[in-house]
Amino acid sequence: AQKVTQAQTEISVVEKEDVTLDCVYETRDTTYYLFWYKQPPSGELVFLIRRNSFDEQNEISGRYSWNFQKSTSSFNFTITASQVVDSAVYFCAPPEAYGGSQGNLIFGKGTKLSVKP
Amino acid sequence: NAGVTQTPKFRILKIGQSMTLQCAQDMNHNYMYWYRQDPGMGLKLIYYSVGAGITDKGEVPNGYNVSRSTTEDFPLRLELAAPSQTSVYFCASSSQGAHSGNTIYFGEGSWLTVV
Repeated sequence: AQKVTQAQTEISVVEKEDVTLDCVYETRDTTYYLFWYKQPPSGELVFLIRRNSFDEQNEISGRYSWNFQKSTSSFNFTITASQVVDSAVYFCAPPEAYGGSQGNLIFGKGTKLSVKP
Repeated sequence: NAGVTQTPKFRILKIGQSMTLQCAQDMNHNYMYWYRQDPGMGLKLIYYSVGAGITDKGEVPNGYNVSRSTTEDFPLRLELAAPSQTSVYFCASSSQGAHSGNTIYFGEGSWLTVV
């Protein structure tokens, strides 16, 4: 069985604040991938990052950083110095449990981030 | 840089009508998907395909049909539209699927309203 939890339904911050979006992924698989996507108000889905379970190094891309800790099953996403353009719904999405052939992603409701000017 | 292209972007259907959502990708991907997203929810898988001539049902296939005659195209057919099919539809593609670590790329979405 697999379960992904984004406990924060909505977050509201003021521009330039740092914000962390939490994701906890529970699975029996010993190796797996996790993906983050962004869905801005315009509706499209934008791929942000893919990480695998055997790489626990933090990833930094500009103002975005990801902290993956396998011991706690957490894959958190931090935006530094948030901007209004960061306002979106963010999804932490694992693949359908290995063993199936679909190769699709599982999406929960995500976390809605609102950045106020 | 076309990627995944969906048409139409917006459509209003009357109950009982049928229509086809078109999807094409130019990345030579084997895997293609159709998802739907209801307001405030995540995406649910309707159908998927792992290659030309091969399709299978996802989580919510009722009321839909697909075909995959070429690698590039993966149209979604809605038969006898119902209000419950009002949703945003996303087509997506991937080289070998997310379970192999391959990124899934999404089209811009198609907003469908059934009245």
